[in-house]
Amino acid sequence: GDSVTQMEGPVTLSEEAFLTINCTYTATGYPSLFWYVQYPGEGLQLLLKATKADDKGSNKGFEATYRKETTSFHLEKGSVQVSDSAVYFCALSPWPDTGNQFYFGTGTSLTVIP
Amino acid sequence: ETGVTQTPRHLVMGMTNKKSLKCEQHLGHNAMYWYKQSAKKPLELMFVYNFKEQTENNSVPSRFSPECPNSSHLFLHLHTLQPEDSALYLCASSQEPGTAGNTIYFGEGSWLTVV
Repeated sequence: GDSVTQMEGPVTLSEEAFLTINCTYTATGYPSLFWYVQYPGEGLQLLLKATKADDKGSNKGFEATYRKETTSFHLEKGSVQVSDSAVYFCALSPWPDTGNQFYFGTGTSLTVIP
Repeated sequence: ETGVTQTPRHLVMGMTNKKSLKCEQHLGHNAMYWYKQSAKKPLELMFVYNFKEQTENNSVPSRFSPECPNSSHLFLHLHTLQPEDSALYLCASSQEPGTAGNTIYFGEGSWLTVV
């Protein structure tokens, strides 16, 4: 079945460091891929998405490229800030056979220290 | 403003109480979801509704009772809960299954503490 695997955390970085959070997926068909961010005490917010191979999603300095050949959707940011401290979830929406499911990774906690 | 609004944000209830969580979406979606998020555990899908009809019940105990009166509103009725039910309950909505590029949007969650 479809699934998403993301790197275990927690991740701790200094401010202005480069961030990569790895995400790989297993899916049939043509899934859409997402990154969500959850700040402390809040729900999940959509950070970025890509709906087809080679698409790049970007938002707030974060980027991820949909790589079908490596079944990956790694999240990157060139220079993290303290305000980026949060939990990041990789997710997948299957297509065309969707059922009712969205598939989520287990989340990667990021802490950015000044 | 996420387009999905949940109330209350925080709820403390005793094991014999009855309470309800409410969710409303303003995105014109036809599918709504309840998820449970516990500390150190993956996100757990509880219920799914499409066009007001329940299409998934992920082996959730009967002390959780969902209600979907229309495509914009979703409730989770709670009764005789256990302390291990303490968690963040997330409501979400999306377009109906089969939609290419379907995206799920979450509310800010309701923090439930069972004492």
